[in-house]
Amino acid sequence: DQQVKQNSPSLSVQEGRISILNCDYTNSMFDYFLWYKKYPAEGPTFLISISSIKDKNEDGRFTVFLNKSAKHLSLHIVPSQPGDSAVYFCAANAGGTSYGKLTFGQGTILTVHP
Amino acid sequence: SAVISQKPSRDICQRGTSLTIQCQVDSQVTMMFWYRQQPGQSLTLIATANQGSEATYESGFVIDKFPISRPNLTFSTLTVSNMSPEDSSIYLCSVYGTGSTDTQYFGPGTRLTVL
Repeated sequence: DQQVKQNSPSLSVQEGRISILNCDYTNSMFDYFLWYKKYPAEGPTFLISISSIKDKNEDGRFTVFLNKSAKHLSLHIVPSQPGDSAVYFCAANAGGTSYGKLTFGQGTILTVHP
Repeated sequence: SAVISQKPSRDICQRGTSLTIQCQVDSQVTMMFWYRQQPGQSLTLIATANQGSEATYESGFVIDKFPISRPNLTFSTLTVSNMSPEDSSIYLCSVYGTGSTDTQYFGPGTRLTVL
């Protein structure tokens, strides 16, 4: 039972353009969402999070959008840079914080071409 | 953010043996978590490590297979016991955000290959 799904295994984008990574969830109890970036041979690095009381959160080049009715969130990276090339995971939790069990999607490999 | 280190970074082990993975944090944290990432899969929580009490295991994971110690607020170990090739995974520890940050931070992971 995959409660968090990233349906695109990979995404290729030109440098300077927008990257949009998508994530869907099925568990209505999830109310806190995070995006992590992972380079090979490293642990996941936190990027940005959003609580279900918001529908948008921005941090520099990264913006996360949450559509609760559709149970869908997306990460926008603008402008994309070659250093953004990595695996991106979305994660979800119930309880309004990141404290406790995070349920992860399977990841999307982003490649940003110079 | 917390700085987390894990030892070993990788290992190749024989079937039937056990490996203990260490996780060290540079600050005191209440909760530490152990995750597994099997090849091509997402991260899955194995257990939550509480200081001074037994770890809490997720469905599908048992203490006999994955014993955990948490002797203080900056350190934890996960042992993978009686290993089989199916245990080949990346094992990661994480900690709940220290200070005012509401985030889980992850260690670099231990890549385990079982032959």
